[in-house]
Amino acid sequence: GQQLNQSPQSMFIQEGEDVSMNCTSSSIFNTWLWYKQDPGEGPVLLIALYKAGELTSNGRLTAQFGITRKDSFLNISASIPSDVGIYFCAGPPQTSGSRLTFGEGTQLTVNP
Amino acid sequence: EAQVTQNPRYLITVTGKKLTVTCSQNMNHEYMSWYRQDPGLGLRQIYYSMNVEVTDKGDVPEGYKVSRKEKRNFPLILESPSPNQTSLYFCASRPGVNSPLHFGNGTRLTVT
Repeated sequence: GQQLNQSPQSMFIQEGEDVSMNCTSSSIFNTWLWYKQDPGEGPVLLIALYKAGELTSNGRLTAQFGITRKDSFLNISASIPSDVGIYFCAGPPQTSGSRLTFGEGTQLTVNP
Repeated sequence: EAQVTQNPRYLITVTGKKLTVTCSQNMNHEYMSWYRQDPGLGLRQIYYSMNVEVTDKGDVPEGYKVSRKEKRNFPLILESPSPNQTSLYFCASRPGVNSPLHFGNGTRLTVT
């Protein structure tokens, strides 16, 4: 079942603002993945994190793998209208082998 | 172009009428999976396949069947669809255990 808690569920921001969202779990994760889903499309991978404490950037996006291996955050700096979409965290809990669990998603709306 | 292709993109059907959603990937990936996406619930795994002729239940397998007779194809079968199977379905694949998933563009199914 669902083991990831993602927050916030939705965000409404102005263009240019920074955004932060996070995922927490009661289970230890070996990998944290962040996906973005544009309207009418399938999720696309943004960032993959493989080690506790790892901080990785992809353009204006930065994500970190929490030291406890039970959490991760994603930051978006200087948001633009095309950042609109649903952002999902995902990962394989240590006890699940290779199966991925997804968070509930964060719906981001950026007002121009 | 490397991709996961689902068909159809949209499907409206009636309760009890058997249907199949096809999924094909051209990346020679061993692992394939089906998810359903519902508001507030994120992506939930229905079935997955680690390789040809190997399939396993995900978190919400009831009412679904799959088959993996060849590496590239992983069809999702609803023998007797019901309205609670109205959802957005995604097929995904990946080359190995620790690799991120590549998603198709989704199939929106409505069962009346």
